[in-house]
Amino acid sequence: QKEVEQDPGPLSVPEGAIVSLNCTYSNSAFQYFMWYRQYSRKGPELLMYTYSSGNKEDGRFTAQVDKSSKYISLFIRDSQPSDSATYLCAMSRAGGTSYGKLTFGQGTILTVHP
Amino acid sequence: NAGVTQTPKFRILKIGQSMTLQCAQDMNHNYMYWYRQDPGMGLKLIYYSVGAGITDKGEVPNGYNVSRSTTEDFPLRLELAAPSQTSVYFCASSSSLDRAGANVLTFGAGSRLTVL
Repeated sequence: QKEVEQDPGPLSVPEGAIVSLNCTYSNSAFQYFMWYRQYSRKGPELLMYTYSSGNKEDGRFTAQVDKSSKYISLFIRDSQPSDSATYLCAMSRAGGTSYGKLTFGQGTILTVHP
Repeated sequence: NAGVTQTPKFRILKIGQSMTLQCAQDMNHNYMYWYRQDPGMGLKLIYYSVGAGITDKGEVPNGYNVSRSTTEDFPLRLELAAPSQTSVYFCASSSSLDRAGANVLTFGAGSRLTVL
């Protein structure tokens, strides 16, 4: 069983739709939860960053973490064609030797069509 | 501000050849990493470094070597290339100022390697 599972999609939605992206994980030691966005032929870039459980909002993006269910989500409101990319969830443990050593999901390919 | 620069962007190798992927960052980050990305598999950590002269293995280190002689540079060496090393390689760096900063990785644009 993979430590982090993410539905690879692909996911295709019309412009303006609400998008929900999800990951499940098995390792209860994960404390830091991130969403990276990766455009085609580019490196990933950090989109959202959450510590432990709870919600975090940044503009059209909302990240949720439910540690009791080992489940994280990213919601995109009013989706735009420019949101078309691969979205990668990533996690790491706490502790000095774990920082920066991320475990990634497989990535979900999202296409927002006009 | 260039961020993380990787060279080359593309390379084709024959089985058994060796090469070095270059990575340089200009953000004065202490932590640097090499990840590989295979289709549908996410990114996997190959090697990482917490500062000049200090390196350690990640999840998939076999077939690779690294060195860190300066804060800025973190080259990845492939010895005796194999088809299983066909992948996209990403170098990344992060600050160690605090726990949160260490997890905020800045990635390079990637080096696409094919071994035939």
